[in-house]
Amino acid sequence: ETGVTQTPRHLVMGMTNKKSLKCEQHLGHNAMYWYKQSAKKPLELMFVYNFKEQTENNSVPSRFSPECPNSSHLFLHLHTLQPEDSALYLCASSQVGTEYGYTFGSGTRLTVV
Amino acid sequence: AQKITQTQPGMFVQEKEAVTLDCTYDTSDQSYGLFWYKQPSSGEMIFLIYQGSYDEQNATEGRYSLNFQKARKSANLVISASQLGDSAMYFCAMRERGGSNYKLTFGKGTLLTVNP
Repeated sequence: ETGVTQTPRHLVMGMTNKKSLKCEQHLGHNAMYWYKQSAKKPLELMFVYNFKEQTENNSVPSRFSPECPNSSHLFLHLHTLQPEDSALYLCASSQVGTEYGYTFGSGTRLTVV
Repeated sequence: AQKITQTQPGMFVQEKEAVTLDCTYDTSDQSYGLFWYKQPSSGEMIFLIYQGSYDEQNATEGRYSLNFQKARKSANLVISASQLGDSAMYFCAMRERGGSNYKLTFGKGTLLTVNP
């Protein structure tokens, strides 16, 4: 596999469920990111991990819990979500210190019912 | 204040014609990078082109070119010879130095429709 892989591609969950989104990068990058993309809004940066350490949390509600066990894997654990959390969740990776931007995964389209 | 402004929510272009997507940015950094991404309906963000703030020449990648006007703080994307497959959302983004991270900030995007 190459690039950034996100699973699942689609997820429907109830407000009382607990689920996890997974992201894996095969690029040897040292930073990973979660973004939220809602309809008609710019992409919102949620979390940043550098070398497995969380370096940014953009005031994200605690019902979203990230986990980065190693520099290749990133998870987003979800619990007791609200309907307004329905969105496309994009994972990205990058090599900090280089000129390059991010490589994105295909995203997980989440619907909270 | 918005850091990246894309003033065109939607654009239409005829197949084989050129189209320009506008982007202006706001930063006090001297060193920054500007990016354009394409997002088809499948959702994946596809990197198209990059321009560094110190690059003197406009970036080009195949049919994509970036019209970089530093004094005006604009970084417009030009797509030449449009194809039906170019129909997608296009996002302008800027990388600034934020601590140890290189944060990427995105505009709201422009939906491009290529008509046959």
